[in-house]
Amino acid sequence: KNEVEQSPQNLTAQEGEFITINCSYSVGISALHWLQQHPGGGIVSLFMLSSGKKKHGRLIATINIQEKHSSLHITASHPRDSAVYICAVREGNKLVFGAGTILRVKS
Amino acid sequence: DADVTQTPRNRITKTGKRIMLECSQTKGHDRMYWYRQDPGLGLRLIYYSFDVKDINKGEISDGYSVSRQAQAKFSLSLESAIPNQTALYFCATSGGPGANVLTFGAGSRLTVL
Repeated sequence: KNEVEQSPQNLTAQEGEFITINCSYSVGISALHWLQQHPGGGIVSLFMLSSGKKKHGRLIATINIQEKHSSLHITASHPRDSAVYICAVREGNKLVFGAGTILRVKS
Repeated sequence: DADVTQTPRNRITKTGKRIMLECSQTKGHDRMYWYRQDPGLGLRLIYYSFDVKDINKGEISDGYSVSRQAQAKFSLSLESAIPNQTALYFCATSGGPGANVLTFGAGSRLTVL
């Protein structure tokens, strides 16, 4: 079993829809990261969470430490949000990555 | 200029050739990492370094070596490339509080024929 599981693996949405991507992990962590990878390949850090909730523009990330679960929400989705979204957890000095969720937003 | 620069961005080579991927950073971060990404799999750690004199193997270090030439430079070598090393390689740095500020390079796509 992977230490970090993301769902769904693939997601297609219509422009304007509210999107949720989930991340579950099985190890004790000190922090959780959400990353975005665009088709060109570059990876950008969106959020780092150790508790609660963070918001940046149309993106919201939440984490429930007791349930070992995090969600990334995108409000009013837009085609430019199309990317791979990656969850990563910090376990000691190590980062463990999920396989990513491929999001496509259609206009 | 990018905070983390990887060269080359693309390389096609033949089995048995030696390949070096280079990474330099302007973030001033002490920690540097090399990952590989394969379709359907999460990023996997090859090697990491927490300072110039500290080099550590990651989960998939076989067939790879690294050199931390300076705080800002961390290179990855494939001494004798093989086709299953065809992948997208990322260099990353971390720093800041708890070393939780992550910055990735743009990636180096390596194809081994």
